[in-house]
Amino acid sequence: RKEVEQDPGPFNVPEGATVAFNCTYSNSASQSFFWYRQDCRKEPKLLMSVYSSGNEDGRFTAQLNRASQYISLLIRDSKLSDSATYLCVGSGSARQLTFGSGTQLTVLP
Amino acid sequence: GAVVSQHPSWVICKSGTSVKIECRSLDFQATTMFWYRQFPKQSLMLMATSNEGSKATYEQGVEKDKFLINHASLTLSTLTVTSAHPEDSSFYICSARGGGSSGVQETQYFGPGTRLLVL
Repeated sequence: RKEVEQDPGPFNVPEGATVAFNCTYSNSASQSFFWYRQDCRKEPKLLMSVYSSGNEDGRFTAQLNRASQYISLLIRDSKLSDSATYLCVGSGSARQLTFGSGTQLTVLP
Repeated sequence: GAVVSQHPSWVICKSGTSVKIECRSLDFQATTMFWYRQFPKQSLMLMATSNEGSKATYEQGVEKDKFLINHASLTLSTLTVTSAHPEDSSFYICSARGGGSSGVQETQYFGPGTRLLVL
């Protein structure tokens, strides 16, 4: 079983839609979680960290449920520029990052 | 934010040649650098962790004699793919983590990646 699992998608949504991505992790020792965004043929870029209390950054909301070992990302009012692959990432005590395989999002005009 | 550069951005080489990829932290001192590989439609896979001045720690399944890593300074790490073969064709990405201020210390900053195509 992969340490970090994501639904690969693809998710094709119209502009303005709300879309949610889910991620599960198997290593209960993982301490920190992040969502990264990766555009085609580019390096991943940090989108936001994920906290148990939930955190919001503009149209993006991330949530961590440690009991269920589950992470989510909600994108509201999606824009064309949100089209990318979204990577769920965990970090353990050694602070190495473990990447999920990514969820592909395409926002359609 | 902190900037990490990689050179070259892409390389095409013949099978059997060696390829060196450089990763530089431009505005901070990177005590730790990481090398990842990403095949099409797959996730980034950590190859090795490199601490300045010491030997790199390789992940299981990564041949240390084939993927030579040198982290001789706080701003430069190199990955050399020795005797490259077509199956080594991939997207190689480095990241750097600093040892200075808390913000840079905790965050990994990624380089733009190097596309390697071995013919």
